Amino acid sequence: KAGVTQTPRYLIKTRGQQVTLSCSPISGHRSVSWYQQTPGQGLQFLFEYFSETQRNKGNFPGRFSGRQFSNSRSEMNVSTLELGDSALYLCASSLEGGLDTQYFGPGTRLTVL
Amino acid sequence: GEDVEQSLFLSVREGDSSVINCTYTDSSSTYLYWYKQEPGAGLQLLTYIFSNMDMKQDQRLTVLLNKKDKHLSLRIADTQTGDSAIYFCAESGPAGGYNKLIFGAGTRLAVHP
Repeated sequence: KAGVTQTPRYLIKTRGQQVTLSCSPISGHRSVSWYQQTPGQGLQFLFEYFSETQRNKGNFPGRFSGRQFSNSRSEMNVSTLELGDSALYLCASSLEGGLDTQYFGPGTRLTVL
Repeated sequence: GEDVEQSLFLSVREGDSSVINCTYTDSSSTYLYWYKQEPGAGLQLLTYIFSNMDMKQDQRLTVLLNKKDKHLSLRIADTQTGDSAIYFCAESGPAGGYNKLIFGAGTRLAVHP
């Protein structure tokens, strides 16, 4: 089975722009979670989607949003980018969420200039 | 709130055993995980343990859980240079949602000849 894929792998944007990142889960997985990894704050949970609905959310401002499509693929969007949004954004998928094990993709490295 | 702490660095000689320690605060934590991250890569699930278990062994990996002290450890037997990476401890449970992983800051393991 193919693993979790994320596109693009690298992205450079400037302050004030917006960005959309994509995640394709492992086939058959219906839950997709997003995490932000920075040197200062470490790994932090952004949100989780299941059956096209946001089921859990971390403590991030409203500039961070996401969605999930009927094929379980997910996108996250960051509007009005700030320098502090520079990070590795990781997507994880699991069968149903909950107690199921999460498998991570390679991440998208976002740099905001 | 939930918190997970790890020591930041560990250096071991090739062939020795490595022990990476982690403490957590949420007594309702149900699942405890160990993930590995190599440079430029996403997170690889190494192993996990249910909170009702004391120990789990998987080839070279041994996980010990002391629920009373909220202490988790990962022992890597016969450590190899390929084990050099950052190791993250994580927990999930009903407090934050089972699908929301709370990560420690990561322990950088350096294996030298």
